[in-house]
Amino acid sequence: QQQVKQSPQSLIVQKGGISIINCAYENTAFDYFPWYQQFPGKGPALLIAIRPDVSEKKEGRFTISFNKSAKQFSLHIMDSQPGDSATYFCAASMGGSSNTGKLIFGQGTTLQVKP
Amino acid sequence: KAGVTQTPRYLIKTRGQQVTLSCSPISGHRSVSWYQQTPGQGLQFLFEYFSETQRNKGNFPGRFSGRQFSNSRSEMNVSTLELGDSALYLCASRLQETQYFGPGTRLLVL
Repeated sequence: QQQVKQSPQSLIVQKGGISIINCAYENTAFDYFPWYQQFPGKGPALLIAIRPDVSEKKEGRFTISFNKSAKQFSLHIMDSQPGDSATYFCAASMGGSSNTGKLIFGQGTTLQVKP
Repeated sequence: KAGVTQTPRYLIKTRGQQVTLSCSPISGHRSVSWYQQTPGQGLQFLFEYFSETQRNKGNFPGRFSGRQFSNSRSEMNVSTLELGDSALYLCASRLQETQYFGPGTRLLVL
């Protein structure tokens, strides 16, 4: 019940295309859902995050879509660029001060954007 | 503001040894979480410290321990190292719900 399942494991997209990564969760106590981007040799960096009371959040070329009833959320990268080539992780955490520091991560998606 | 710093960046140890990793959070952040990243298991939560107290713990054996100092700097220790402990160990400092990760310490156990 603590798991977050992420798909696909890898993704190849042409420059200018849309990259879509999906995540699903079981635990309805999760109330914070961030996406992280990680380049080789670096730590994960926060990309965008959403709470379950919002169905969509957009920041630049990155959009999170959230479906609370289906317990699914997805990351859309519009106009994908070669510089977006990285590993993307979805994550979730539960509410309450004692839980906020514990992120449960998906397995990761390696995105390659071809020029 | 300086980001999260971790030392050392790379470490090679042999089975049975112990290791201590250090993390300095972003100034003003009082919460530090530790994660282990491996190709097989992905990113797994180890523990979180807030104001020198362990607030949450992941599903790791007791060989993995940590502590936090009054200046919010944190250390994690792994005793009796096993080959399977080879991983990237990531530290994150937190402000509200946002966690900011350091570059990690890559540990290789031979």
